[in-house]
Order: sequence, then structure tokens, then C-alpha cells
Amino acid sequence: GAVVSQHPSRVICKSGTSVKIECRSLDFQATTMFWYRQFPKQSLMLMATSNEGSKATYEQGVEKDKFLINHASLTLSTLTVTSAHPEDSSFYICSAIWTVNNEQFFGPGTRLTVL
Amino acid sequence: AQTVTQSQPEMSVQEAETVTLSCTYDTSESDYYLFWYKQPPSRQMILVIRQEAYKQQNATENRFSVNFQKAAKSFSLKISDSQLGDAAMYFCAYRGGGSNYKLTFGKGTLLTVNP
Repeated sequence: GAVVSQHPSRVICKSGTSVKIECRSLDFQATTMFWYRQFPKQSLMLMATSNEGSKATYEQGVEKDKFLINHASLTLSTLTVTSAHPEDSSFYICSAIWTVNNEQFFGPGTRLTVL
Repeated sequence: AQTVTQSQPEMSVQEAETVTLSCTYDTSESDYYLFWYKQPPSRQMILVIRQEAYKQQNATENRFSVNFQKAAKSFSLKISDSQLGDAAMYFCAYRGGGSNYKLTFGKGTLLTVNP
């Protein structure tokens, strides 16, 4: 089956620093990936759509200058949280569309803690 | 905008018994897809079942089945012969038709399976 990986699985950083999270489709090419944010005991909130070779599309209320998304290849999208603050602490999940069946496969998530 | 409502924050079921999780949605589209995802404590999102709106037949995957009532905009999940491994958060999700792969999630239902 289609597998999506995320790295790192968890990261702790100091306030003011930037953190990069990678999302990879391991055995398929994905022209479209998504980034979600999930707070404890809450649902997934779509942050942005990552399109290979073009700019990401951000959902309303998501700061594009704070959450930089780069989809440089058909198997890799990155989310960079710039100048992280404690309120950015959350669980970040990516997903990728497998165009063979249009099914969305999710990565295992990255837990970000900003001190 | 599409909305997905899960009115049961928590449900519990005895092992080997049957439980039904509720989901309603609101949309003006005629072509769309509905999904149930499972998120166990590992937080990996797992697709349980999907339903295409144009299909009248309810989807079934082993012990999991749905009751799709298009006119009522209802999409419930029935889990038969519940197992301890079914304990998880369950999210109902909506996706529009065409090439829009964005998912709108409900708030989730936490299912507890009692031995």
C-alpha cells in the first residue's frame, strides 16, 4: 500500500527558532499533499494544500509567512514553522493524494513542542 | 461551505457487540465522497471506509458498514463484533467531487471498547 512518512516524529525547540517538518510519499508520486494541525482531543484542521511545482494554497486564517510550505518534488513536501512560539505547539499531520485511486494517505504526524 | 457534524463526543461498547457512530453533513454539491477515519492512540489516521455519493449501495468493509442516507445527509458507521483494537477516535469526513481532494472533518467520536 501507499506509505507516507514524516520526519521528525517529535521535535522540541526554543521560542523564536524555526523548525522544518518533512513529509514524504515513499512508494508513489504525489502532486498534491496537505498539511493539517491537530490540537489535543480535537479534530484535524486543514492548514494548506501543497502543490508540486507551485505555491501552496493556505486556508483562511493560516499565516503563510509563518508556516512556509515547499513542495519541491513529487515525493517531498516540507512545512517550516518560522519564529516558533509556544502557541505553535501542536501535532502536525501531512497527507498525500495517490492519483491512482485518488485516495488520501496520512503520515504518522509530528509533535512540535515550543518552549 | 460544507460542514460535518458528529453529535456523539464519546461512545462505549462491550466487546463483541455492535455500535453505531453518527455523522451528518451539509452540502449543496451533488457529487461528493464521505469517509470514516480511525485515529488510534498512535495518532496514525487510518481509512476505515469510504462512500461515493452517487452509489446507492451502502459500503461495507468486513465488520464495518455504513448507513448512507443521501436525502437526510446522514452517514453513520456501524461496527459489528467490536474488538478491543477498535478503540480509537473516529472521524467522519467529507470531500467534494472532481479534483478537489480537501477533506472536511467532523469533531470526532471517541470509542471505548469494554472487555
